[in-house]
Amino acid sequence: GAVVSQHPSRVICKSGTSVKIECRSLDFQATTMFWYRQFPKQSLMLMATSNEGSKATYEQGVEKDKFLINHASLTLSTLTVTSAHPEDSSFYICSARPRQSSYNSPLHFGNGTRLTVT
Amino acid sequence: TQLLEQSPQFLSIQEGENLTVYCNSSSVFSSLQWYRQEPGEGPVLLVTVVTGGEVKKLKRLTFQFGDARKDSSLHITAAQPGDTGLYLCARGATNKLIFGTGTLLAVQP
Repeated sequence: GAVVSQHPSRVICKSGTSVKIECRSLDFQATTMFWYRQFPKQSLMLMATSNEGSKATYEQGVEKDKFLINHASLTLSTLTVTSAHPEDSSFYICSARPRQSSYNSPLHFGNGTRLTVT
Repeated sequence: TQLLEQSPQFLSIQEGENLTVYCNSSSVFSSLQWYRQEPGEGPVLLVTVVTGGEVKKLKRLTFQFGDARKDSSLHITAAQPGDTGLYLCARGATNKLIFGTGTLLAVQP
């Protein structure tokens, strides 16, 4: 089946530093990848839609200068949390939509990255 | 913005009991997906329902799509500790997938 690899699985960083999270589709090409944020015992909140070769589309209330998204290839999207603060601590999950699938098609999810900012 | 309301938000039951989780929206949607997520992992797709009134079964799980395609339910028969997790409904919206508010289920042995 389609596999999405997310790295790192856990990261601890100091306040003010930046952290990069990678999302790779291992056995398929993904023109669209999505980044979600999840707080404990809550649902997934969509942060942004990452489109290969173009700028990401951010959801309302998500700071694009703080959460930098790059989708440079059909198999890799990165999320960089810049100048991280403790309130950015969360579980970040990426997902990918295979090429030529519709918007109703299931997404393939990574296993998430637990970010802790101290 | 969450467009899908799930109820209950939390549910703790004993092994062997039955339960139903609801997913409601004021909007009509063409299809709906159900996912289960375990702690520290990404969501895993359980089922997709597309036709109003549709019923799908996955072992002890029964999924139903409302006739008007505004709501859905997930019924678990004889719950087991392995069913513990966060259950999420989700709908496609334009180019993205929007999740419901989630139901956290704990099945006690």
